[in-house]
Amino acid sequence: QKEVEQDPGPLSVPEGAIVSLNCTYSNSAFQYFMWYRQYSRKGPELLMYTYSSGNKEDGRFTAQVDKSSKYISLFIRDSQPSDSATYLCAMGGAGGTSYGKLTFGQGTILTVHP
Amino acid sequence: GAVVSQHPSRVICKSGTSVKIECRSLDFQATTMFWYRQFPKQSLMLMATSNEGSKATYEQGVEKDKFLINHASLTLSTLTVTSAHPEDSSFYICSAGDYSREQFFGPGTRLTVL
Repeated sequence: QKEVEQDPGPLSVPEGAIVSLNCTYSNSAFQYFMWYRQYSRKGPELLMYTYSSGNKEDGRFTAQVDKSSKYISLFIRDSQPSDSATYLCAMGGAGGTSYGKLTFGQGTILTVHP
Repeated sequence: GAVVSQHPSRVICKSGTSVKIECRSLDFQATTMFWYRQFPKQSLMLMATSNEGSKATYEQGVEKDKFLINHASLTLSTLTVTSAHPEDSSFYICSAGDYSREQFFGPGTRLTVL
C-alpha cells in the first residue's frame, strides 16, 4: 500500500464548476499537508499549506484536512480553464530522519473546459 | 512565494557523458534542497536531500556515485548525472526549503540522453 493515495483522474469539468480533489494517507505521523499545482513541463507551484485538521481558505481554493480519517481535500470554486493542470497532494513532518521530506500523491490531472 | 531557478531548462547529451544541473534559491537562504525526478504522467520521486555544507542523503535505490549532489552554499545546489544513459532521461526538479518547512520548486530540467 502506498503511503499516499490520490486518484489520478483524469477529471474533466465545465468552467464554473466546483472541483473536489482528494488524497488519503496511511502514516498517522504526517504533520503538515500541502497541495501543489503543476502545469505541463513545469515545476510544482505551492497552492495551500496546512498543519491542522479543519478548513483553510485562500481565494477560490479551500484545503480540508481530517487527521482522524487520514483524508485531505482541495476544493476549487468557480473553476477556470487556467486551472487545468495536475494537482499533487504532499505530506511531511513524519519525524526522525525524514525532516523536511515530502511524500507526494500520484497527482490528479484536471481539465476545465470553457 | 520564494523563487527557485534551475539551469539548464533542457539538455540533450550523448550516452556516457556527464551533465550538471544547477538549482538556485534567488531570494532566500535554503537550509535544505531536495532533488526529484519525474517520469511522464507520474508523481515526483525524491532522489536525495542535501543540507548546506554536508553530504547528501540519498533515497533507497538511488546511486550516489551516479547522481552527485553538491550543496556548496545556502543558495546553490548542483546535481551531476555521471555517465548518463538513455534510462536516465527524465524531468529533474529541485526544491528549496528553509526552517518553515515550505518547499519551493524550481521549473525543472528535462534531460534527454541519446
